[in-house]
Amino acid sequence: GESVGLHLPTLSVQEGDNSIINCAYSNSASDYFIWYKQESGKGPQFIIDIRSNMDKRQGQRVTVLLNKTVKHLSLQIAATQPGDSAVYFCAETSGAGTALIFGKGTTLSVSS
Amino acid sequence: EPEVTQTPSHQVTQMGQEVILRCVPISNHLYFYWYRQILGQKVEFLVSFYNNEISEKSEIFDDQFSVERPDGSNFTLKIRSTKLEDSAMYFCASLQDLNQPQHFGDGTRLSIL
Repeated sequence: GESVGLHLPTLSVQEGDNSIINCAYSNSASDYFIWYKQESGKGPQFIIDIRSNMDKRQGQRVTVLLNKTVKHLSLQIAATQPGDSAVYFCAETSGAGTALIFGKGTTLSVSS
Repeated sequence: EPEVTQTPSHQVTQMGQEVILRCVPISNHLYFYWYRQILGQKVEFLVSFYNNEISEKSEIFDDQFSVERPDGSNFTLKIRSTKLEDSAMYFCASLQDLNQPQHFGDGTRLSIL
């Protein structure tokens, strides 16, 4: 069977490793998903998004995977750098322009 | 790159007082939002605003709260009779069109004493 990644509140990796951050979303009607990065004292910063008609989307060093069957979202960061250290939140919405529902954050710590 | 700007960055207020948090959304954006984040917790939706009216609000956004777009650039959140539990980071976000992600400001830290 397929394993579902568990949400971890913290993730510590070495510089250069690949990081995987998981999120379980709540609403099966959600059709748009966003990953945000939040650095200390800052607001959420957009990283990457994906719509429900896709299961994978790639950006620069980041990939988002969507599994609607188990309502799971993951963010993969390749070659993690110290500047990637932050809290990462997934967010979902079920209609264009409607409220974002944020998941629990994961604190990523990258050591060099 | 255009940004959402929020003022003040930190507001300290006595319990029972009124506060106004200010936001300047990105200039060509049409949809505006307020969220809050209690220390160490996840970001929570408060209210959305479009075409000079509230389009959606959460259970948190009760009669204590109001929003206004007094001119073509500012978007404000007013909190009346502040309580200790109103202490949080308040984030403003804006959206250009419905196919784009919301862009957030860096927030106002509200401390109620």
